[in-house]
Amino acid sequence: GAGVSQSPRYKVTKRGQDVALRCDPISGHVSLYWYRQALGQGPEFLTYFNYEAQQDKSGLPNDRFSAERPEGSISTLTIQRTEQRDSAMYRCASSPTGGGNTGELFFGEGSRLTVL
Amino acid sequence: QKEVEQNSGPLSVPEGAIASLNCTYSDRGSQSFFWYRQYSGKSPELIMFIYSNGDKEDGRFTAQLNKASQYVSLLIRDSQPSDSATYLCAVNKNTGRRALTFGSGTRLQVQP
Repeated sequence: GAGVSQSPRYKVTKRGQDVALRCDPISGHVSLYWYRQALGQGPEFLTYFNYEAQQDKSGLPNDRFSAERPEGSISTLTIQRTEQRDSAMYRCASSPTGGGNTGELFFGEGSRLTVL
Repeated sequence: QKEVEQNSGPLSVPEGAIASLNCTYSDRGSQSFFWYRQYSGKSPELIMFIYSNGDKEDGRFTAQLNKASQYVSLLIRDSQPSDSATYLCAVNKNTGRRALTFGSGTRLQVQP
């Protein structure tokens, strides 16, 4: 696709349910990042992949959060046993180069998660 | 102390004026510095990056970096109402965590 595609765009779930957020990066982009953005705040790093390898998951808040990118393209961020504090905009970004140090991240439109 | 600090604003400037946006960072190992613009309800988009001390100009935008003071700024000349947005400062250390750390952003309002 032309840009980074995320789905669903909006997700409302009940506390305790599991959710899976999907990211389809720009074709050929090596690096893929997950960020979380609260209203009025900047994006907060969660995790990042180079190809299929998860290079850094230090930003994942706890073990209810996990991510995968099994074929080096589409990625899924999974949140188990959701809590109200998980409510936020989850943004995926991709970059054409590896290493993550170019700074040119292309962001998707985000998945807004609301946990009731 | 936050890794990247910005004044939340709003910073209000009249159309045609120079808008000055500032950012400080805590980690002296930071190597690369970026400014992203985020319109309300939209995703961030990169507008400038700077790696070396000094100024870097791109059209109406100038990024300034002072590593000794751990300070980076963005100047927008001839501000237009369409520049009204939140400007996010981001830094990258090039070692360890190879992902950008963002500030909370400064909201800019350009008054027509």
